[in-house]
Amino acid sequence: GAGVSQTPSNKVTEKGKYVELRCDPISGHTALYWYRQSLGQGPEFLIYFQGTGAADDSGLPNDRFFAVRPEGSVSTLKIQRTERGDSAVYLCASSLTQAETQYFGPGTRLLVL
Amino acid sequence: AQSVTQPDIHITVSEGASLELRCNYSYGATPYLFWYVQSPGQGLQLLLKYFSGDTLVQGIKGFEAEFKRSQSSFNLRKPSVHWSDAAEYFCAVYNTNAGKSTFGDGTTLTVKP
Repeated sequence: GAGVSQTPSNKVTEKGKYVELRCDPISGHTALYWYRQSLGQGPEFLIYFQGTGAADDSGLPNDRFFAVRPEGSVSTLKIQRTERGDSAVYLCASSLTQAETQYFGPGTRLLVL
Repeated sequence: AQSVTQPDIHITVSEGASLELRCNYSYGATPYLFWYVQSPGQGLQLLLKYFSGDTLVQGIKGFEAEFKRSQSSFNLRKPSVHWSDAAEYFCAVYNTNAGKSTFGDGTTLTVKP
């Protein structure tokens, strides 16, 4: 079956603009995770959804970052007033339930000029 | 707070030689531990995982890892490295209560012909 997909694969934007990154999890997976990976570092946790609700958003760096999963499937990560420091690869993962293996998507590479 | 340390930033081995990548974790309870591999421009691929039971776990591509509670380690091994194993390797610990993974900063493996 299809794995986790993320769109777009690359996004270039200007400082101050708004961006949306989309994640399509594996069908039937109730848990969905967003991570951010900066150059030379491991993925850093942002937010975790169980179903439609954000079970843990402690990794979101500030209130410019927001994520939704309205129907418990697709999720969108939204970044307002982007800054150059937001440039990174944003990874999405899903798992059947919490505490199951997470499967990662290919990521969205965001570049803020 | 949970944390993962991968002491070796970069390792170079000759093709056919054995490999060991180190991972040390900090976590208050019995950990769920993972090793992932990431090739340039690719997403994270799960190599193996430890949840419970036998402390020596086998993974894909001939990799294995051993969980040692007394040393808080989960080192990855392969008896004979292939050129295609050149990639970045990440160790991660999963927090079953919070539903998030914490990753190390990775070890880059170079394979010499």
